[in-house]
Amino acid sequence: DADVTQTPRNRITKTGKRIMLECSQTKGHDRMYWYRQDPGLGLRLIYYSFDVKDINKGEISDGYSVSRQAQAKFSLSLESAIPNQTALYFCATTGTTGTGELFFGEGSRLTVL
Amino acid sequence: GENVEQHPSTLSVQEGDSAVIKCTYSDSASNYFPWYKQELGKRPQLIIDIRSNVGEKKDQRIAVTLNKTAKHFSLHITETQPEDSAVYFCAASSMGFKTIFGAGTRLFVKA
Repeated sequence: DADVTQTPRNRITKTGKRIMLECSQTKGHDRMYWYRQDPGLGLRLIYYSFDVKDINKGEISDGYSVSRQAQAKFSLSLESAIPNQTALYFCATTGTTGTGELFFGEGSRLTVL
Repeated sequence: GENVEQHPSTLSVQEGDSAVIKCTYSDSASNYFPWYKQELGKRPQLIIDIRSNVGEKKDQRIAVTLNKTAKHFSLHITETQPEDSAVYFCAASSMGFKTIFGAGTRLFVKA
């Protein structure tokens, strides 16, 4: 299922570097989300967007920023990466008139040394 | 803020037995309660969901129950099979705006 695509899939970087994770979708969904997954902590919401002009903070937005470049594209940036941002990041989408089901990308594993 | 608590964090059962995972939520406005399954190295995928106007829903070996008064909902898997081994997440959402997840339950089904 390539409807929600994340790049890169794996990235190793150093403390202080700027990192961008990209997400694109072909589902025609309006709502896009970024989640972070850590063992034992589940999926925590970082940012979400309901359309191109709408950006909302989630549970753990500190240290992150996002950009909704188009309906189909939603990017997550770490301006100055730190080791505790090492995690698996998921982009997800859902439609405005749909069931509420989230469709996830394959994930981006980020390691900050 | 909104919170979803999930128990247990780890569950081990024998093949053929039942497994039950329980969740509680804090936001009274929540009206949609999905369950996602995440196999090792894969993305989470929806396996069943329930809305606030329904108390129970069943799909083959999987069932969910919802008690809105107590803000509890549960996932029941009967006749477990090795392929049921995965991490399961409960979640709560209000009008589909944003979905808050529980911490996950790692289910092991022993053959």
